[in-house]
Amino acid sequence: DTGVSQDPRHKITKRGQNVTFRCDPISEHNRLYWYRQTLGQGPEFLTYFQNEAQLEKSRLLSDRFSAERPKGSFSTLEIQRTEQGDSAMYLCASSLGLAGTNSYEQYFGPGTRLTVT
Amino acid sequence: AQSVTQLGSHVSVSEGALVLLRCNYSSSVPPYLFWYVQYPNQGLQLLLKYTTGATLVKGINGFEAEFKKSETSFHLTKPSAHMSDAAEYFCAVSDRAGTYKYIFGTGTRLKVLA
Repeated sequence: DTGVSQDPRHKITKRGQNVTFRCDPISEHNRLYWYRQTLGQGPEFLTYFQNEAQLEKSRLLSDRFSAERPKGSFSTLEIQRTEQGDSAMYLCASSLGLAGTNSYEQYFGPGTRLTVT
Repeated sequence: AQSVTQLGSHVSVSEGALVLLRCNYSSSVPPYLFWYVQYPNQGLQLLLKYTTGATLVKGINGFEAEFKKSETSFHLTKPSAHMSDAAEYFCAVSDRAGTYKYIFGTGTRLKVLA
């Protein structure tokens, strides 16, 4: 078990460009979450997948943001027409979440730090 | 709606001293509760969790926390601080159903003085 991985670890982009981040969860985990963390703040929930279905999106997720999880495996988060306010650490987490197991803790990846210039 | 308050954005302790990081939550039903640690430029690592059962929970690296329903608190403690404990600590709550998404506090940065 190699844990949750994210790619790239760092991304610098110019305002107006599109960026895409990838998350590979722990292989048997069916639940996947994206969070955004700005400097000095705790992570804020963006969106949630159960298997391949996107079941919840935060109001923080404007229409410039889109996330997918094809086949219930890896996930991508795309930001179109980036703005300086999008600069943040984007964290991915996964959990097993099987009913009756009481195992709802989330395991986090190292994050992708986005800087929009 | 759920919320988490972490009192003290910065806490300094001497090496060997007691560590106490405070977390209070607001929730209409008893939530699941978690403490995570974050080292610079890294993701979050789970320290401990409370879901059901014993209210005193032991975690990794000598940390423990006690769920007090009457005080809506879940404070994190460690009897003796080590230099390696210097990091940022986050308290989080989640529902007991649905998406189980986390609501995080704003974090407490722990500094350990030699």
